[in-house]
Amino acid sequence: DAKTTQPNSMESNEEEPVHLPCNHSTISGTDYIHWYRQLPSQGPEYVIHGLTSNVNNRMASLAIAEDRKSSTLILHRATLRDAAVYYCILRPRGGNRDDKIIFGKGTRLHILP
Amino acid sequence: DTGVSQNPRHKITKRGQNVTFRCDPISEHNRLYWYRQTLGQGPEFLTYFQNEAQLEKSRLLSDRFSAERPKGSFSTLEIQRTEQGDSAMYLCASSLVEVSYEQYFGPGTRLTVT
Repeated sequence: DAKTTQPNSMESNEEEPVHLPCNHSTISGTDYIHWYRQLPSQGPEYVIHGLTSNVNNRMASLAIAEDRKSSTLILHRATLRDAAVYYCILRPRGGNRDDKIIFGKGTRLHILP
Repeated sequence: DTGVSQNPRHKITKRGQNVTFRCDPISEHNRLYWYRQTLGQGPEFLTYFQNEAQLEKSRLLSDRFSAERPKGSFSTLEIQRTEQGDSAMYLCASSLVEVSYEQYFGPGTRLTVT
């Protein structure tokens, strides 16, 4: 499975934007970039995913480098509720694919009030 | 629909005992996954089902572990002769693969083996 590299932890102030980086230099052309997050004492939850173009949804934005070897999850205005572990994951696309999620250790995001 | 539910939420057992966890996926989701998470680590894949068929098992799933999804709805994960190393959070997720890549996770069952 293709690997991702993320910082172990990051800090941000409340109400400021947060940029969470992810390197995936061995990404293949058939891999989507997914982000999940895990709030304290909860199971992971889906945040966003993309293939080549930047993506926006109500939770976050995903900026994907032109060569697809890195991406950045952007939280536009962090709140205390965004404190969580954020996982950057590569997942193959296509029909009856093996779609188990391979999680790394993720980035633990601390939000300072 | 209230999402994926798991029972019990917490289980404390003595080494050597058997335990069984239950997962109720989101209704009509055809895939169901089990993961295990230890402190400070990301979740690790254990096994998954498409309807009632178990399609893949991780090497982490030793002979003491067995999972079933008899009618393609809820699933159970049983651990026989528990060991202290089995202490972890056991997470269940479900998805409707034809619609979305997204997996929906339950809150997990925390197992402590003493």
